[in-house]
Amino acid sequence: GAVVSQHPSWVICKSGTSVKIECRSLDFQATTMFWYRQFPKQSLMLMATSNEGSKATYEQGVEKDKFLINHASLTLSTLTVTSAHPEDSSFYICSATVVGQGSNQPQHFGDGTRLSIL
Amino acid sequence: LAKTTQPISMDSYEGQEVNITCSHNNIATNDYITWYQQFPSQGPRFIIQGYKTKVTNEVASLFIPADRKSSTLSLPRVSLSDTAVYYCLVGAFDTGGGNKLTFGTGTQLKVEL
Repeated sequence: GAVVSQHPSWVICKSGTSVKIECRSLDFQATTMFWYRQFPKQSLMLMATSNEGSKATYEQGVEKDKFLINHASLTLSTLTVTSAHPEDSSFYICSATVVGQGSNQPQHFGDGTRLSIL
Repeated sequence: LAKTTQPISMDSYEGQEVNITCSHNNIATNDYITWYQQFPSQGPRFIIQGYKTKVTNEVASLFIPADRKSSTLSLPRVSLSDTAVYYCLVGAFDTGGGNKLTFGTGTQLKVEL
């Protein structure tokens, strides 16, 4: 159980293009989804927290107009990298969890999206 | 936010027990400790989670001392396939759906024959 699917797994596009990444919880309803960014040989950096039906909460230094997050249902969140540039090239990973069930539920991660901007 | 510190790397041999320690001196009362395993180009995979004392599952044990300022992930008999980066995560979710999460720097475990 607790499967999180992320799509696409790899995308290469030209500078200036907007790219959408989907994160789905397949067998549970996720009240909260997280978006991370990971550079080579570094730890995961939290970008934003997404709660179903409300605006995402962005970490300091993350441009909300650059990284648009939508969490329209309990099983789907999307991250759109707008007008992507080479410096946006990275490994983007989502996770999903359920909040408010009386005990701390772990995050379940997707397999990431490798974004390469030419 | 609770900051965590882990060794950057560890080496071991197949069949040995491996213990990876994470320091989290300013852990908060509501914080849980969670460990993840990550292979290259994949998302982290949940290993184990605990709040205090000892937790054991089919793949690992987690030891947490009374002051909770550190924790130790124990992998009983490692194999080559356990070569990965291991992350210590300290945090909690408030009832409002917010988050206080910190990933550690990660420990690269290399298992050899």
